[in-house]
Amino acid sequence: KNEVEQSPQNLTAQEGEFITINCSYSVGISALHWLQQHPGGGIVSLFMLSSGKKKHGRLIATINIQEKHSSLHITASHPRDSAVYICAVRSLGGYQKVTFGTGTKLQVIP
Amino acid sequence: ETGVTQTPRHLVMGMTNKKSLKCEQHLGHNAMYWYKQSAKKPLELMFVYSLEERVENNSVPSRFSPECPNSSHLFLHLHTLQPEDSALYLCASSPQKSFNYGYTFGSGTRLTVV
Repeated sequence: KNEVEQSPQNLTAQEGEFITINCSYSVGISALHWLQQHPGGGIVSLFMLSSGKKKHGRLIATINIQEKHSSLHITASHPRDSAVYICAVRSLGGYQKVTFGTGTKLQVIP
Repeated sequence: ETGVTQTPRHLVMGMTNKKSLKCEQHLGHNAMYWYKQSAKKPLELMFVYSLEERVENNSVPSRFSPECPNSSHLFLHLHTLQPEDSALYLCASSPQKSFNYGYTFGSGTRLTVV
């Protein structure tokens, strides 16, 4: 079992819908990242969180450290949001291991 | 363009071939990374270089050999690969060797071993 679990694995939405992608982790962390991977392969960093909530345009990321859970929300979804969204965490401690989730594949249909 | 450039974008090689993947960044970052992404699996860290010194090697088979001649360039030399090595190989860089600074990824090299 991966230390970082994402749900759902696949998601299809109509343009304009509100989308939520979830990430749960089982270790104590110092930081959590949400990443976006487009079909070409390149990965872009969307957010880094250690507490609370961050907003950038139509994207909102929240984290609950006590519950070991983070969500990525997309408001007014658009076909260009179609991508794989990956959650990654950095564990506490000297080694500071980085663990990635398997990703959520989002397709937004016009 | 993210500032991290990987070449080639696609590579098909036989099991007896020798090839190299190249990664280049001019972001002034001090740390560079090689990751492997296989279908339906999480990203796997292969190697980490900080200030041109290899600081992590995550039990990667010796048929993968990294090289970091300077802080802007990173290579992954490949020889006698197996079909299960087919994957997307991603290079990343960060200002320091810490996830808290965030990573900048390249677009990856899609490798197929036949």
